[in-house]
Amino acid sequence: NAGVTQTPKFQVLKTGQSMTLQCAQDMNHEYMSWYRQDPGMGLRLIHYSVGAGITDQGEVPNGYNVSRSTTEDFPLRLLSAAPSQTSVYFCASSKTSVNTGELFFGEGSRLTVL
Amino acid sequence: GQQVMQIPQYQHVQEGEDFTTYCNSSTTLSNIQWYKQRPGGHPVFLIQLVKSGEVKKQKRLTFQFGEAKKNSSLHITATQTTDVGTYFCADSGGYQKVTFGTGTKLQVIP
Repeated sequence: NAGVTQTPKFQVLKTGQSMTLQCAQDMNHEYMSWYRQDPGMGLRLIHYSVGAGITDQGEVPNGYNVSRSTTEDFPLRLLSAAPSQTSVYFCASSKTSVNTGELFFGEGSRLTVL
Repeated sequence: GQQVMQIPQYQHVQEGEDFTTYCNSSTTLSNIQWYKQRPGGHPVFLIQLVKSGEVKKQKRLTFQFGEAKKNSSLHITATQTTDVGTYFCADSGGYQKVTFGTGTKLQVIP
């Protein structure tokens, strides 16, 4: 079972470059989300989606865009990378949207912005 | 906005000792979830508590939800080296957003 798949696992960018972190899930989950993890700050929600065509902002959305054209995929776009976006990014999905249940996480993408 | 704090931030215990992490919220929690993240890994769901005062056990782990639904705790009895990792609480069920606590990093000394 693939579960939640994130690519790439590691990426180094220069300031100002753009890139997309990919996330795909094969569990037919309605809910998908992106978190960033920084030391001492836990996991902070960037964007989330409750279904195809529906996205909304989380706690730290600035500098990131998302789209949800299919149930399976939820890519995260960095339009102009900044050193402050150096972090570990996790994609997570859940079966239902209402009263969200268990979150299933991908293995993470470690991004360094120079 | 809502803040979910965990204490302690770090804990070193001798193998066999007990361990407790506390989760406190500035607002009433909807439901509380607990996750474990092994070093270099991703968070893995442990349990969800829904009712005020609820207590659930999983082998050596005991989870409690406060009566006022503003705090929760995770207690591990007789820690083992396999318990090493960071434990996160999370408030789930609030407007489709799951808000994570700051985490407690547990180190077990053999």
